[in-house]
Amino acid sequence: DIVMTQSPDSLAVSLGERATINCKSSQSILYSSNNKSYLAWYQQKPGQPPKLLIYWASTRASGVPDRFSGSGSGTDFTLTISSLQAEDVAAYYCQQHYSIPTCSFGQGTKLEIK
Amino acid sequence: EVQVLESGGGLVQPGGSLRLSCATSGFTFSNFAMSWVRQAPGKGLEWVSVISGSGDSSNYAESVKGRFTMSRDNSKNTLYLQMNSLRAEDTATYYCARGAWYCSGGHCYDHWGQGTLVTVSS
Repeated sequence: DIVMTQSPDSLAVSLGERATINCKSSQSILYSSNNKSYLAWYQQKPGQPPKLLIYWASTRASGVPDRFSGSGSGTDFTLTISSLQAEDVAAYYCQQHYSIPTCSFGQGTKLEIK
Repeated sequence: EVQVLESGGGLVQPGGSLRLSCATSGFTFSNFAMSWVRQAPGKGLEWVSVISGSGDSSNYAESVKGRFTMSRDNSKNTLYLQMNSLRAEDTATYYCARGAWYCSGGHCYDHWGQGTLVTVSS
């Protein structure tokens, strides 16, 4: 099974500053035939279902603000929020969708305002 | 507008059964793989199961294999999760999620329901 590990578990950032969340997979999730890493990022605000932010490690989902960006390949990935807004307070999860028909999530990172 | 609405959650005793439903609208249901993802209180997300658009293929997490059965009725645009032999550790909010067409096996999720809470306790 592919294990996804996020760091840190929690993070406090000032408004307008950059927030960075890391995600590491226990094995490569890069699909060599198309050179895509099968990694997604979700945002979950309190009391709400998750929302897809990023897929294929770096492609923003429809309607996602461009302050959110994803990077990385293989086993190491990063979600960056370039300028933190108050509405970005949430838990963030990475997910690998390489090992179909199963998948797995990271343990989550809680992002707060400093 | 895509809509996803779960129902059927509640309190059940250990060893009991429960059937969750997920009604959908706003898209061609049979064209999309669907999944169940759960979240224990205060915890992270756990993938539970996936079913193909046609309904002829399904897969399960090891933690529920042999106890949970996923099915769909494409004529009613509805997804189901039959849960048997329930345990305390199955206590969670269960989300129904649509698989995005651009992700392998439909395993990233572009639309989610609000979830239904299942509590397993005596």
